[in-house]
Formats: sequence, structure tokens, C-alpha cells
Amino acid sequence: GENVEQHPSTLSVQEGDSAVIKCTYSDSASNYFPWYKQELGKGPQLIIDIRSNVGEKKDQRIAVTLNKTAKHFSLHITETQPEDSAVYFCAASRDDKIIFGKGTRLHILP
Amino acid sequence: EPEVTQTPSHQVTQMGQEVILRCVPISNHLYFYWYRQILGQKVEFLVSFYNNEISEKSEIFDDQFSVERPDGSNFTLKIRSTKLEDSAMYFCASNRTSGESEQFFGPGTRLTVL
Repeated sequence: GENVEQHPSTLSVQEGDSAVIKCTYSDSASNYFPWYKQELGKGPQLIIDIRSNVGEKKDQRIAVTLNKTAKHFSLHITETQPEDSAVYFCAASRDDKIIFGKGTRLHILP
Repeated sequence: EPEVTQTPSHQVTQMGQEVILRCVPISNHLYFYWYRQILGQKVEFLVSFYNNEISEKSEIFDDQFSVERPDGSNFTLKIRSTKLEDSAMYFCASNRTSGESEQFFGPGTRLTVL
């Protein structure tokens, strides 16, 4: 089955700097890659997603890249703000089942 | 904005007891899911449900688990005889179409088994 690895597990960045989270997946048939943000006491919320026929997608300060050959995908957050502090999960999906990575706890330092 | 709701927010039960976790998916969604998250760990897929049938289930979803859509709005997860290791956050999710589309997650039910 699919296995998603995510790094780093914890990331601290100065406010205003960029944050990068990297993931790999194992199942070449996975075709949908969502990123979720989870704040304390809440369910995961989708922040951006990318499909396998696209290499890069951007939405304001958030961008995601996908390298299907290498089975790598990554999340880039620019100009980080205090409200970006949360746990971020990458995920890979084929059909209906979403397989999550272990999460990255992002701390934005003042 | 429509959202997935779950009740209760926190359920405490004794080992061996049955629990039912309830979810109200977004009204025009057709695909429903349960996930769980043990404290500090990743979110794990349990089961997907469409057209009143289980579409797929993980190895975690053994015979003690069952799902049901008893009416047009609720989607439930029943754990027949709870174990200590069932303690986790349980998230319900739904989406309108299957495959490459956003699943909307509820706020979760924290299940504590004593």
C-alpha cells in the first residue's frame, strides 16, 4: 500500500521567512496530493492540493511542487505569519483513500 | 459555509463498552469517510462509504467497527467492544465526488477508553 514520508517533524522559522516541508510517496498510482493544516483541537483543513498532471501550483503565499518521477512533493510557505503556526500534513491519494504523512509542527518565531 | 459536524466532541467510555460516534456530512456530498488520529500521530484512514456500502476499509477497521447511514443526514461509526488502544480522535469527512477532490473534515470526536 501507499506510504507517505514527511520531513521535518518540527520546523521553526522567523516570522517573514519561508518554510519548506518535503514529502515522498511510494505508490506511483497515487494521483492526488492534498496538504492539510491542523490547528489545536480542530480537524484537518485543506490548504492546497495538486494533481498528478501538474508540476506546480501556487495560491498567494502557499505553493506546492510535485515531481512524479522522483515521487517527491513539497509545500512552500513564503512571508510566514504567526497564524501559520500549526501542524501541516501532506497526503497522497488514489481513488478515495487519503494516506497522510506524520505531520510537521511549524512554529513561527516573533 | 456548509461544514461537517460531529457529536459528541468528547466521549469517555469503559473498556468493553459500545460507542457510537455521529457525523452529519455536508448535505450534497455523496462520499463519506472515517479517519482516526491517535494522540501525537498521523491521521489514519479507516473506511470509505458510498451508496450505502463500504467502498474500502483499512486493516484497522476490523470486525469491532461498523458504519451506517441510518437516515438521509447522519453517518455513524460504531465500535462494538472498545479497547484501550481505541482511544483517539475520530474524524468524519465527506466529499461530493470521489477521487481527486477535497475531503472536508469535521472537528472530530475525542474518544477516551478507560
